[in-house]
Amino acid sequence: DIQMTQTPSSMPASLGERVTISCRASQGISNYLNWYQQKPDGTIKPLIYYTSNLQSGVPSRFSGSGSGTDYSLTISSLEPEDFAMYYCQQYDSSPLTFGSGTKLEIK
Amino acid sequence: EVQLVESGGGLVQPGRSMKLSCAASGFTFNNYDMAWVCQAPKKGLEWVATISYDGSSTYYRDSVKGRFTISRDNAKSTLYLQMDSLRSEDTATYYCARQNYGSYYWYFDFWGPGTMVTVSS
Repeated sequence: DIQMTQTPSSMPASLGERVTISCRASQGISNYLNWYQQKPDGTIKPLIYYTSNLQSGVPSRFSGSGSGTDYSLTISSLEPEDFAMYYCQQYDSSPLTFGSGTKLEIK
Repeated sequence: EVQLVESGGGLVQPGRSMKLSCAASGFTFNNYDMAWVCQAPKKGLEWVATISYDGSSTYYRDSVKGRFTISRDNAKSTLYLQMDSLRSEDTATYYCARQNYGSYYWYFDFWGPGTMVTVSS
């Protein structure tokens, strides 16, 4: 199975701050990488698919990049609703695997 | 509006069975592959199983092969997960998710709110 390592596991940040979350795969995944957001009530929604494509309805402050084994999610200016859990997920090979998550907390 | 609503969770003893359902609405159900994803308490997300749009193909993670069965009823726009021989490690919230894919992209574009399954004596 491909292991997905997310860093950091938690990140205190302030409103308006620019933050970047990293995701490293245990082997190259050819940009087959998605990002999801999970709110405290459990609601999950996609943010970014295929490394850098913004899901419809997601604010443009979210962006994704990367290649090979290393990928990142950037939020350019934090809004109150962005404090949540974030997960990366690879679909290069089965089984589909997710990162362990990054909790974005208010500083 | 796309909606996915899971049901059927609860408390079950180890070794027993439970069947989850996911009622879909707001889209043409039989056009989409569907999946179950679980999340153990305080843990991350874990893909469980996928079924093709017509039910002809199914895929499972190794830890549930032979114990869980994913199925669908396209006439009722409903997805199912039959869970047999349940173990304590199956305790989790189970999410129903719609799969969206194309030439290069493949992701879960809509998720239900989840249903909690607790396996305990």
